[in-house]
Amino acid sequence: GDSVTQMEGPVTLSEEAFLTINCTYTATGYPSLFWYVQYPGEGLQLLLKATKADDKGSNKGFEATYRKETTSFHLEKGSVQVSDSAVYFCALPTGNQFYFGTGTSLTVIP
Amino acid sequence: NAGVMQNPRHLVRRRGQEARLRCSPVKGHSHVYWYRQLPEEGLKFMVYLQKENIIDESGMPKERFSAEFPKEGPSILRIQQVVRGDSAAYFCASSTLQGFTDTQYFGPGTRLTVL
Repeated sequence: GDSVTQMEGPVTLSEEAFLTINCTYTATGYPSLFWYVQYPGEGLQLLLKATKADDKGSNKGFEATYRKETTSFHLEKGSVQVSDSAVYFCALPTGNQFYFGTGTSLTVIP
Repeated sequence: NAGVMQNPRHLVRRRGQEARLRCSPVKGHSHVYWYRQLPEEGLKFMVYLQKENIIDESGMPKERFSAEFPKEGPSILRIQQVVRGDSAAYFCASSTLQGFTDTQYFGPGTRLTVL
């Protein structure tokens, strides 16, 4: 069945470091792919999405490219800030629901 | 433009009591989804509703859990005779179209603690 596999955390980075959070998916066809972010004590917010192969989603300095050949949708940011500390979820819509990865907790230290 | 609203934000119940969680979707959204997030885990789908209809409840436990989305008023997730294992964050999401064709907007969640 459809699923997403997300890089295990937690991840701790210094401010201005480069961030990569890996996400691979298994799906029938070519679904849209999403990254959601959850700040402490809050619900999930859409960070970015891509609707077809080779699309690049971007928002707030984060990027992710939908790669069909490697079935991946890795999240990247060139220079993280303390305010980026949160849990990041890769998500795959299928049927009536989203399948979410287990989440990767990111802590950015000054 | 108000987002998805959930209340209460925090709910404490003793074992055996009932928990009632409310979700008001984004204005104009007619599709509501409930997810559960257990500690240290990702979100797991529970149920998908449209107004007055349950469309998909494949993720809902067979007993004690029920959901509704009446013609008027918020969507309700009801947990009867709560047990400690029900302690989790429950998130509601809404969309204008069926989930995979549109973004789902999430509420802040209700954190249920069962003593």
